[in-house]
Amino acid sequence: SQKIEQNSEALNIQEGKTATLTCNYTNYSPAYLQWYRQDPGRGPVFLLLIRENEKEKRKERLKVTFDTTLKQSLFHITASQPADSATYLCALHLGGFKTIFGAGTRLFVKA
Amino acid sequence: EAGVAQSPRYKIIEKRQSVAFWCNPISGHATLYWYQQILGQGPKLLIQFQNNGVVDDSQLPKDRFSAERLKGVDSTLKIQPAKLEDSAVYLCASSNIGTGLMNTEAFFGQGTRLTVV
Repeated sequence: SQKIEQNSEALNIQEGKTATLTCNYTNYSPAYLQWYRQDPGRGPVFLLLIRENEKEKRKERLKVTFDTTLKQSLFHITASQPADSATYLCALHLGGFKTIFGAGTRLFVKA
Repeated sequence: EAGVAQSPRYKIIEKRQSVAFWCNPISGHATLYWYQQILGQGPKLLIQFQNNGVVDDSQLPKDRFSAERLKGVDSTLKIQPAKLEDSAVYLCASSNIGTGLMNTEAFFGQGTRLTVV
């Protein structure tokens, strides 16, 4: 069956370390992939988009990789801060108008 | 730039009652989405409008859910009658996507938290 998998367990890391979140998918061939941040009680906020022909994308302390062979995207936050604590969602754009979200991974950054 | 506005923020109703949610997207955004987000899950698309036309409503439970987008701007989502399993956050989002163009980021509202008791 078609599905998107993100770490269901929360990720706990120490401030200053690099957080790495994983998004795996099966049976899809996304044209591109997006990462969103969601805080409790708020709607998701767009962070980064990476296209199928791009290997890596960076924005400030954020880095996203996209491996269409492994069907995986990795999302990195370097020099993490307590303010980075949130749920991070990956979203696959499947072509046309269709986008599908993963369940998200909760990140806790401890001071 | 004003964001996506949704109301109400919270709603508690009894099962079998009806409820309506309102969304005002970012000015000029042609695409409007309604998502359902159950606790612990990612957003699930219910319906997507391009201007005032529906482009995807494949996951909308049409026996109880309906949505419209008046004049290609504001939108309302209605549930009638509500069931316990409809308890969720209903998110509205908009994006500046045009026909044939690559999709862009979606801007989300804060959502309406619905509790059906």
